[in-house]
Amino acid sequence: GENVEQHPSTLSVQEGDSAVIKCTYSDSASNYFPWYKQELGKGPQLIIDIRSNVGEKKDQRIAVTLNKTAKHFSLHITETQPEDSAVYFCAASAYTGGFKTIFGAGTRLFVKA
Amino acid sequence: EADIYQTPRYLVIGTGKKITLECSQTMGHDKMYWYQQDPGMELHLIHYSYGVNSTEKGDLSSESTVSRIRTEHFPLTLESARPSHTSQYLCASSEWGQGKDTQYFGPGTRLTVL
Repeated sequence: GENVEQHPSTLSVQEGDSAVIKCTYSDSASNYFPWYKQELGKGPQLIIDIRSNVGEKKDQRIAVTLNKTAKHFSLHITETQPEDSAVYFCAASAYTGGFKTIFGAGTRLFVKA
Repeated sequence: EADIYQTPRYLVIGTGKKITLECSQTMGHDKMYWYQQDPGMELHLIHYSYGVNSTEKGDLSSESTVSRIRTEHFPLTLESARPSHTSQYLCASSEWGQGKDTQYFGPGTRLTVL
C-alpha cells in the first residue's frame, strides 16, 4: 500500500544548530504535504505545509522543500531553540475521489541548551 | 488555533467498562477522524467521517465504534474496555474539498485500562 517514510526517528542537536527531517512518499498522486509538531501532552499542530506546485516554502526559522520527481520532502529548522524540542510528523495527502492522508512515523527532536 | 476539543483528557478505567470519548469542533468541518497513537509515536487512523451519518473504518482495525449525528460531534465508544485499549486517542477535523485538506487535531485523550 501507499506509505510515507520519515527519517531519522530521533534527532539530537545543539541549540543554534540546524535540524533536517526527511520524508519520502510513494503515492505519485500526493499533492499536499503538511508538517506537524506535537509537544508533550498535546495533539499535533500544523507548523508549515506545501503544495505540489511549489518547490520551497519558508516561515521564519522553518522551511520545507519538495522534490516531486524524487518524491522527497524535507523540513529544515534553523537556529534551533530548546522549545523546538518535540515530535515532528510529515504527511502526504492525495485527492483521488476522497482525501487520503498518510503520516510518517514521527521524529523526536531534542535541542540541547 | 484550531477549535477542536476532546474530553476527558485522561481516563483510567477497569476492564469491561463501557466508555465514550468525546470530540467536538466548532469550525463547521465536514470531515472528522480518530487516530490511535502508540507509545512509539506513530498515528494510526481507526475511524473517519465525511459528514453527518457517514462513518468509515480506518487503516487500523479497532474494536471501537463511532457515530456522527451532528456535524460538530464525533464520539468514539468502546463497549467493553480491555488493557490492550490503553493508548492515546486523537481526534481531528478538516474541511472537505480540493485544497482544504489540512487536519486540525484536538489535545487527545490518554486512556488507561486496568
